[in-house]
Amino acid sequence: QKEVEQDPGPLSVPEGAIVSLNCTYSNSAFQYFMWYRQYSRKGPELLMYTYSSGNKEDGRFTAQVDKSSKYISLFIRDSQPSDSATYLCAILFVDSSYKLIFGSGTRLLVRP
Amino acid sequence: DAGVTQSPTHLIKTRGQQVTLRCSPKSGHDTVSWYQQALGQGPQFIFQYYEEEERQRGNFPDRFSGHQFPNYSSELNVNALLLGDSALYLCASSPTTGPDYEQYFGPGTRLTVT
Repeated sequence: QKEVEQDPGPLSVPEGAIVSLNCTYSNSAFQYFMWYRQYSRKGPELLMYTYSSGNKEDGRFTAQVDKSSKYISLFIRDSQPSDSATYLCAILFVDSSYKLIFGSGTRLLVRP
Repeated sequence: DAGVTQSPTHLIKTRGQQVTLRCSPKSGHDTVSWYQQALGQGPQFIFQYYEEEERQRGNFPDRFSGHQFPNYSSELNVNALLLGDSALYLCASSPTTGPDYEQYFGPGTRLTVT
């Protein structure tokens, strides 16, 4: 079992739709939860981070963490064609070692 | 302020050869991490350098080695290339005083091994 599981998609939605992207993880010791956006031929770009259960909003983006279910989500409201990219969840485990684990990424296409 | 830069952009090598990839961190950052991203996969952590030493290492063989220079730039070396080493190699930099999640990625070097 992978430590971080993410549905690869692709996910195709019309412009203006609400998008839900999800990941599950297996290690309850994970500490920080991040979402990255990666455009084609570019490096990942940090969108949001959180470290506690609950919701965190930033503009059209909401990150949600449920530690009891080991489930994290990213919601995009009023999606735009410019949101078309691959979205990667990542979980950082910080202890005696440093371990940043990425999901495999979900490809999102927002149709005009 | 230039972000993280990587060179070269693309590289084609033959099995068994050796390759060196280069990274310059974002201004003010002194920690450099390297990742391998296979097609359709998320990045996998290779190792991290701080103060010219390897601080952490992921599950990669010794064929993968690195170096960090006094100006914080870094190199990734891969020896005895295998077909399976074909991937996008990403460099990420972060400040020591900042949170560990605050990593800035470069555009990557696309390595093709034939």
